[in-house]
Amino acid sequence: AQSVTQLDSQVPVFEEAPVELRCNYSSSVSVYLFWYVQYPNQGLQLLLKYLSGSTLVKGINGFEAEFNKSQTSFHLRKPSVHISDTAEYFCAVSDRVTGGGNKLTFGTGTQLKVEL
Amino acid sequence: EAQVTQNPRYLITVTGKKLTVTCSQNMNHEYMSWYRQDPGLGLRQIYYSMNVEVTDKGDVPEGYKVSRKEKRNFPLILESPSPNQTSLYFCASNTLAGGPGGELFFGEGSRLTVL
Repeated sequence: AQSVTQLDSQVPVFEEAPVELRCNYSSSVSVYLFWYVQYPNQGLQLLLKYLSGSTLVKGINGFEAEFNKSQTSFHLRKPSVHISDTAEYFCAVSDRVTGGGNKLTFGTGTQLKVEL
Repeated sequence: EAQVTQNPRYLITVTGKKLTVTCSQNMNHEYMSWYRQDPGLGLRQIYYSMNVEVTDKGDVPEGYKVSRKEKRNFPLILESPSPNQTSLYFCASNTLAGGPGGELFFGEGSRLTVL
């Protein structure tokens, strides 16, 4: 079984400042890793994913994440945030071995609040 | 436009009154799933379906039923709702062709309140 930990439930940041949202996972098998974003009153949409290859993954809206196998982490970063980035961000893991279709195990989410 | 459509978006009901939340996708996806989202708990999977007539329990299936009679539809049924089922529900789908690394497409959510 796998699990995902997002230690920060809320992250306030000023506009144009950099931000990092932390995600750690645990699994006994190889995994795929995802970040999803949920804007207010909307469903989730994929921000980026790591399947294999380069450990630095670039996503939409200027976000990127780095897979660190030794630290079992997949932190999300953006060098300069905008007001429109205010949303809830979910880290998720999928079991690469059994798959189960695309059964994702989600973290508890991090609310990013960008202030002027 | 590719989308997952859920109805109703908002519903207030009373304990014990059966209800169904519908979910339909127009992408010909084999895989469909229901999640519930609760503050501090993130999203937890209720049920999923790998294809027509193939369904299985997720992590929190108690109190819910599903059916998959057609590929595009995956309704969530609450036979006798209770207040602890007050939550925000999401339907999601994806194609199995991409394997477990594929993108899940989510509906806009259904906010259910059980009094």
